[in-house]
Amino acid sequence: AQSVTQPDIHITVSEGASLELRCNYSYGATPYLFWYVQSPGQGLQLLLKYFSGDTLVQGIKGFEAEFKRSQSSFNLRKPSVHWSDAAEYFCAVGAPGGTSYGKLTFGQGTILTVHP
Amino acid sequence: SQTIHQWPATLVQPVGSPLSLECTVEGTSNPNLYWYRQAAGRGLQLLFYSVGIGQISSEVPQNLSASRPQDRQFILSSKKLLLSDSGFYLCAWSTQGAYNEQFFGPGTRLTVL
Repeated sequence: AQSVTQPDIHITVSEGASLELRCNYSYGATPYLFWYVQSPGQGLQLLLKYFSGDTLVQGIKGFEAEFKRSQSSFNLRKPSVHWSDAAEYFCAVGAPGGTSYGKLTFGQGTILTVHP
Repeated sequence: SQTIHQWPATLVQPVGSPLSLECTVEGTSNPNLYWYRQAAGRGLQLLFYSVGIGQISSEVPQNLSASRPQDRQFILSSKKLLLSDSGFYLCAWSTQGAYNEQFFGPGTRLTVL
């Protein structure tokens, strides 16, 4: 079974600073990888996804993530954080194949606080 | 375009009372459907998933049940709520046979007193 670890529970950055949120996964093959964002009291919104091909993927709101097979990582980055980026971020992994029924395994989340 | 609805948005219920949360999806057919619970600081826990009408799989033993009476309708129920059932409940859907990408509803905040 796959698993996801987000080592940082809470990260604080200043507005305009760069951001990197860490995600490590455990899976026997190349998984499908996702980053979601959740504002307080809201549902989850997909930021970006990796299925195959180019290991650097671009998402919405200026976010990008890089799949590194050797490190089993899929870290999320943004060059300049805006106050509106304050939210909770979830990394998720899915197993390719019909028998997975589209299920995803989520990390515990990283809460991002942005200081003005 | 596809949309997903959940209601109610918030709910306060006494211990021992029944529960019914509803989720509906528009703009797609034969989706996979999922119920998650989110407790503070504990991420998302998959409770149930469904690949078709009447087909429900449970991920964890608990006080809850799920049903799918129609293709795009997913219901989460309980006969008697426990304090531990409090949390934020999220419904999601994905396309069958595709790349696992899930789309989430706005959620229901349940408080059991």
